[in-house]
Amino acid sequence: GAGVSQSPRYKVAKRGQDVALRCDPISGHVSLFWYQQALGQGPEFLTYFQNEAQLDKSGLPSDRFFAERPEGSVSTLKIQRTQQEDSAVYLCASSLSGFGEKLFFGSGTQLSVL
Amino acid sequence: GIQVEQSPPDLILQEGANSTLRCNFSDSVNNLQWFHQNPWGQLINLFYIPSGTKQNGRLSATTVATERYSLLYISSSQTTDSGVYFCAVVIIGGSQGNLIFGKGTKLSVKP
Repeated sequence: GAGVSQSPRYKVAKRGQDVALRCDPISGHVSLFWYQQALGQGPEFLTYFQNEAQLDKSGLPSDRFFAERPEGSVSTLKIQRTQQEDSAVYLCASSLSGFGEKLFFGSGTQLSVL
Repeated sequence: GIQVEQSPPDLILQEGANSTLRCNFSDSVNNLQWFHQNPWGQLINLFYIPSGTKQNGRLSATTVATERYSLLYISSSQTTDSGVYFCAVVIIGGSQGNLIFGKGTKLSVKP
């Protein structure tokens, strides 16, 4: 596609519910990144894939957060047993190669946990 | 960990004015990017500039890696320039996927 596509655009979840957020990177982009952005803050790194390999997941805040990219293209970020502090915008980005490249971001998924 | 500090935190301009945004970082970096987040939340990559100077229309950026700062220049500002400008870096020796963002400069351009 022309850009990074994320769905859904908005998600409201009840506390304790599991959610799955989808990211379609730019076609041919090797690297894919997930970031979390709280209101009024800069994005914070969650995890990074190069093709299907998850090279860094040091930013995932707890074991309730899980990301996968099984075929090296589409990625899913799953949050189990959501809590109110998980409310944020989740941003996906992709770049053509591993690093040293521009990142292109999607519009994000705004998650609200009630 | 690395500190990425942006200044000023807020900036109000009259349309047509020029401005300079600054990004200071506390460690050596091999990747520095400037982004614009528009009022609808979309992050747009403005520059990939780990060193040197680049220009794109009314925008230009300069990074002096040895002195650990980068500057973003906006000339003849327009109302569409409003939003938050972020500087983001990858430190040498750090995870190459981990782009660390500053807190941003919120720019409002008045007509």
